Amino acid sequence: EDKVVQSPLSLVVHEGDTVTLNCSYEVTNFRSLLWYKQEKKAPTFLFMLTSSGIEKKSGRLSSILDKKELSSILNITATQTGDSAIYLCAVGAGSYQLTFGKGTKLSVIP
Amino acid sequence: NAGVTQTPKFRILKIGQSMTLQCTQDMNHNYMYWYRQDPGMGLKLIYYSVGAGITDKGEVPNGYNVSRSTTEDFPLRLELAAPSQTSVYFCASSQGLVIDTQYFGPGTRLTVL
Repeated sequence: EDKVVQSPLSLVVHEGDTVTLNCSYEVTNFRSLLWYKQEKKAPTFLFMLTSSGIEKKSGRLSSILDKKELSSILNITATQTGDSAIYLCAVGAGSYQLTFGKGTKLSVIP
Repeated sequence: NAGVTQTPKFRILKIGQSMTLQCTQDMNHNYMYWYRQDPGMGLKLIYYSVGAGITDKGEVPNGYNVSRSTTEDFPLRLELAAPSQTSVYFCASSQGLVIDTQYFGPGTRLTVL
């Protein structure tokens, strides 16, 4: 059974801090790893990673995949209150499905 | 740009009632999915479809049914609603195959009392 584990499950930081969110996976026939941000409604896509060691960046957010370690990290620098959300990691493997982790709830306080 | 739309946004059902959650996408995606999200539990796949006329079970299909008669629509049917089906339901679509990015609808919050 495919498995995706995120850590920590929740995190509280102050504005301006840098945070690192972790995602590890055990899947058969890995295809891709995706990060989503979920505020009060639907998840919105952040990154898709397919190759090890290549950093994807969007503003203050960046992510990298390590296929040897079967893991990925999502970094957010200079956090803002608008970054408060649940960050979901999902892995595409095997058939056409994504397996999601439980998410990391990030709270950024002023 | 509508993307993925879902109706209704909220619904309260009594135990034993039935209902259909509607999902429509206008991106011409072949692949569509239904998830449920319980607090602190991430997203669990209920059913998915790889094209019109083709559906398959996901991780938690019991108590649900789907159909896919067109590329655009992927309704989810709840028969004999139970309190365990209280959840937020998301529909998603993707191009599939190499492109895994799934685009989500706004969700339906369902309460079964």
